[in-house]
Amino acid sequence: RKEVEQDPGPFNVPEGATVAFNCTYSNSASQSFFWYRQDCRKEPKLLMSVYSSGNEDGRFTAQLNRASQYISLLIRDSKLSDSATYLCVVNVYGGSQGNLIFGKGTKLSVKP
Amino acid sequence: NAGVTQTPKFRVLKTGQSMTLLCAQDMNHEYMYWYRQDPGMGLRLIHYSVGEGTTAKGEVPDGYNVSRLKKQNFLLGLESAAPSQTSVYFCASSYSGQGTGYTFGSGTRLTVV
Repeated sequence: RKEVEQDPGPFNVPEGATVAFNCTYSNSASQSFFWYRQDCRKEPKLLMSVYSSGNEDGRFTAQLNRASQYISLLIRDSKLSDSATYLCVVNVYGGSQGNLIFGKGTKLSVKP
Repeated sequence: NAGVTQTPKFRVLKTGQSMTLLCAQDMNHEYMYWYRQDPGMGLRLIHYSVGEGTTAKGEVPDGYNVSRLKKQNFLLGLESAAPSQTSVYFCASSYSGQGTGYTFGSGTRLTVV
C-alpha cells in the first residue's frame, strides 16, 4: 500500500461548484498534514495545513480523521483560478524518505 | 526575499555528460531537499540534508550525488547522465523537519538525450 493515496482525477467542475478531494495515508505515526497546490509546470506551493479540529481558510476547508487515516479538502464556490493539481502531504518524521511524503495529486479543472 | 532559487531552469544533456544543479535559499533554513517529478509518479525524494555538512539518501538516490558545504546551498550532481534521469527537479527547504511546510524552488527541467 502506498503511503499517501489520492484519486488522480481529473475533476471537471463548473464555476461555483463545490468539490471535495480525499486522501488516505498508511502510517499511523504521521504527525502533520498539509494540502499543496501545484499549477501546470510550476512548483508546489503550500495551500494550508490540516489540523485535527479541522480548519478553514476562506473557501477552503480541510478535515483530518486520524482514526480512519483520512484527510479531505473541500473547495466551495469554485473559481477558474482554482484549476490546478492538489497534493496531499503527510509528515513522517525520520526514515529514509525524509520528512514529507507527497501524494501524486488530484487534478482539478474548473470550467466557465 | 528570493526564497529558494534553482539554477539552471532548463538543460539538455547528452547521455554520459555530467552536470550540477544549484539550489540556494536565503531563509536560513536548516533542512533542504531534492525531488524529482515525473508524470504519474508524483514527487520522489532523491537526497536531503538536515544541516550544513550533512546529507542523506532519499527514495531514489541512485545516479545522483549531493553536497551541502554551506547552509544556504544544496548541490545536486549527475556524474553520468542517463535518459532515465530526464525529469523536472525541484529543490525545497524548511525550517525544521517536524511539521513545517516546505518552500520550493521553481524547478529545473532536464532532458537527457
